[in-house]
Amino acid sequence: EDKVVQSPLSLVVHEGDTVTLNCSYEVTNFRSLLWYKQEKKAPTFLFMLTSSGIEKKSGRLSSILDKKELFSILNITATQTGDSAVYLCATTTSGTYKYIFGTGTRLKVLA
Amino acid sequence: GAGVSQSPRYKVAKRGQDVALRCDPISGHVSLFWYQQALGQGPEFLTYFQNEAQLDKSGLPSDRFFAERPEGSVSTLKIQRTQQEDSAVYLCASSPGRVAASYEQYFGPGTRLTVT
Repeated sequence: EDKVVQSPLSLVVHEGDTVTLNCSYEVTNFRSLLWYKQEKKAPTFLFMLTSSGIEKKSGRLSSILDKKELFSILNITATQTGDSAVYLCATTTSGTYKYIFGTGTRLKVLA
Repeated sequence: GAGVSQSPRYKVAKRGQDVALRCDPISGHVSLFWYQQALGQGPEFLTYFQNEAQLDKSGLPSDRFFAERPEGSVSTLKIQRTQQEDSAVYLCASSPGRVAASYEQYFGPGTRLTVT
């Protein structure tokens, strides 16, 4: 059965800290991996990764995929209180329409 | 519209009642997804539409769940004879492309269903 596992489940840091969130996956016919930020209800898109070793970056956030070891990391540098949210990882597979989500990492950034 | 909208935002149903949840995707988006998100969990895929065609309904948990998108835009998720385990947030997402896995999804705010 396809699965996506995120760690840690929750994390509390102070403003200015750097955090690394992990997402490992076991899926058949992997196509892409996506990261989302969920603050209240609607997840908002952060990154889509399809190739190993190519870092995607947006401001203080960056992400990379390792297709050999079947994981991705999301880094947030110089964290701010506005980064507090649940970060979700999802995978897609060729030949299906499903996005398989992990349970998320709940990040709390203290002022 | 500017984004995906869903209605109602909150719904309380008594066990055994039927409910209908509405999703208005971003205009012109081909793909539409429904998800169920239980408290503390990630979204779980329910079903996928490409225009008006329901191409994947493998995630619907039982035959009490039914979804439609008759004109390829607005979609309705219907749950018959609601049970307490149906309590969750129901998220709708749309995506511009046909090859769903190649595009990011835009999520609506969700409908929180509570079955008492």
